Amino acid sequence: AAGVIQSPRHLIKEKRETATLKCYPIPRHDTVYWYQQGPGQDPQFLISFYEKMQSDKGSIPDRFSAQQFSDYHSELNMSSLELGDSALYFCASSFRGAIAGNKNIQYFGAGTRLSVL
Amino acid sequence: DQQVKQNSPSLSVQEGRISILNCDYTNSMFDYFLWYKKYPAEGPTFLISISSIKDKNEDGRFTVFLNKSAKHLSLHIVPSQPGDSAVYFCAFREAGNNRKLIWGLGTSLAVNP
Repeated sequence: AAGVIQSPRHLIKEKRETATLKCYPIPRHDTVYWYQQGPGQDPQFLISFYEKMQSDKGSIPDRFSAQQFSDYHSELNMSSLELGDSALYFCASSFRGAIAGNKNIQYFGAGTRLSVL
Repeated sequence: DQQVKQNSPSLSVQEGRISILNCDYTNSMFDYFLWYKKYPAEGPTFLISISSIKDKNEDGRFTVFLNKSAKHLSLHIVPSQPGDSAVYFCAFREAGNNRKLIWGLGTSLAVNP
């Protein structure tokens, strides 16, 4: 079965550079979530999109932005990178649908490891 | 203030024995409680979940227990196998439309042959 695809798997950037992370959700999933996991930390929710509209916003810095496109893939854009942005970035997708109460299980990609030097 | 506490950073268990992983929470507005398993360099993999209206859900070797009065969630793995060695995260879904997950810090389980 198709899973969540994230690209690139690894990314090395220097301070003040920009980075774009891509996420391709499981087919027919309508919701995408972005998480950031620093070393030794739990995944921190950044932002989510449902049907191409921002659904919820977590601890996403103002330097970051994201969007979900018409084909449901999502991109996380990170500007003015800082050393502290070095982390594993996970994307998850789920099918939320219009029915209240469904499980809406989030399925995760393998992540993009971003290293800021 | 952390809403989800996974107090044991690591656990070591002998193959064939039971592994018990625990999470405590403070927020009563969670509607689904999930366990994810994570291998190094991979994304979390969904393992099992339980609705807030149930107190037990079983799937093969994995059983999840929810004690709402104690605000406590646990995962039992019986019998434990070396391939179960991974980091286990509990994740709690907030009720409502956004349904974002609140995560524990993870417990690293080592199952020794």
